[in-house]
Amino acid sequence: EVQLLESGGGLVQPGGSLRLSCVASGFTFSNYAMIWVRQAPGQGLEWVSAISASGSSTYYGDSVTGRFTISRDNSNNTLYLQMNSLRAEDTALYYCAKDQTPYCAGADYWGQGTLVTVSS
Amino acid sequence: QSVLTQPPSVSGTPGQRVTISCSGSSSNIGRNYVFWYQQVPGTAPKVLIYNKNQRPSGVPDRFSASASGNSATLAISGLRSEDEAHYYCASWDDSLSGSWVFGGGTRLAVL
Repeated sequence: EVQLLESGGGLVQPGGSLRLSCVASGFTFSNYAMIWVRQAPGQGLEWVSAISASGSSTYYGDSVTGRFTISRDNSNNTLYLQMNSLRAEDTALYYCAKDQTPYCAGADYWGQGTLVTVSS
Repeated sequence: QSVLTQPPSVSGTPGQRVTISCSGSSSNIGRNYVFWYQQVPGTAPKVLIYNKNQRPSGVPDRFSASASGNSATLAISGLRSEDEAHYYCASWDDSLSGSWVFGGGTRLAVL
């Protein structure tokens, strides 16, 4: 059974940093691209970032480019999202998702999310 | 403003068939896989359809999808009260450096 467990969310002041983690199990992590998607309270889904299976290719949404960094540790089945220069508009539930391919095509499994709140 | 366009809401009565449209462009739906997700409030999204019209095991065959040109459609037949949820379409977009794009979501009300 595919499981994705996010952690690292919390309350942070504007301008601060957080690192989210997503531990994967139930599939061969190194064979699949991974994705971060967020959902602000009461809003729709917004793609944040994606990384290919090998980690050689990374992609970012316009709203986070230059501030967020996606990475992965295939030896420990873990996906990361380093978030710097956080803004109030980054407040959201952040989901980790498994892509169905080694490159980036789309998610077939989602975690339960970790909440990030940016506020003073 | 979402890259993919969905109606904000649709409704139907139990047993009816409803459809949800998703309009994109040649850089996303026109050339890449289309995904449909169901999100019951307070829970994580769940994949209903992948690769334009494939259903994961466990998803009832009441859910089906099609795509033509730059648009896609999700159809739900034999509507049930438990189908009340938000539905999102998504696709990879090849423009610029690449991105995954979503529709704004459609709230389905079962009256």
